[in-house]
Amino acid sequence: NAGVMQNPRHLVRRRGQEARLRCSPMKGHSHVYWYRQLPEEGLKFMVYLQKENIIDESGMPKERFSAEFPKEGPSILRIQQVVRGDSAAYFCASSPDQNTEAFFGQGTRLTVV
Amino acid sequence: DAKTTQPPSMDCAEGRAANLPCNHSTISGNEYVYWYRQIHSQGPQYIIHGLKNNETNEMASLIITEDRKSSTLILPHATLRDTAVYYCIVRAGSARQLTFGSGTQLTVLP
Repeated sequence: NAGVMQNPRHLVRRRGQEARLRCSPMKGHSHVYWYRQLPEEGLKFMVYLQKENIIDESGMPKERFSAEFPKEGPSILRIQQVVRGDSAAYFCASSPDQNTEAFFGQGTRLTVV
Repeated sequence: DAKTTQPPSMDCAEGRAANLPCNHSTISGNEYVYWYRQIHSQGPQYIIHGLKNNETNEMASLIITEDRKSSTLILPHATLRDTAVYYCIVRAGSARQLTFGSGTQLTVLP
């Protein structure tokens, strides 16, 4: 799944700092999904975006988390004032449309110290 | 999306076929069966999906029962690199997300 690029692969933040996670979808894909995997748990959907639009954010925590997918550039998942409970692997997936299988990136592993 | 039930773990000898079952008794007519796998905390990898006909690609075969209440993913010649957690997911065609369960930890033994 090298086509979906996420960076950084590993990110360490102190409590209270901001974390920015980037996702460049596969070429030709305009649909982006973010998932979170807490330690020893399954993947949980967070948010679904198309270019410049948030389509479904039903899985996003109500506070401190936001996502965007601008017209130009990667999708960004932003976590403000991180806490230890935010430590997890964050995966991005992309697809060319809503009805096609999604392909995942290798994830960003966030550690909050 | 319909709920799926998978065994928590399975072993398979290297070179043999791995048959991973999945029950989805509440599946609706417009819901597809998807299979993904996750190798040691890497990003999930798409394997295959189907609606009601059996499907085959370069990675695996998907056998869906006639009543669509269960399916089996077949890896014809398992290798050590197939050791992973395999997720069976039922998803409506119009659904916006994948709902991952606990999956099956497949261990391929030398």
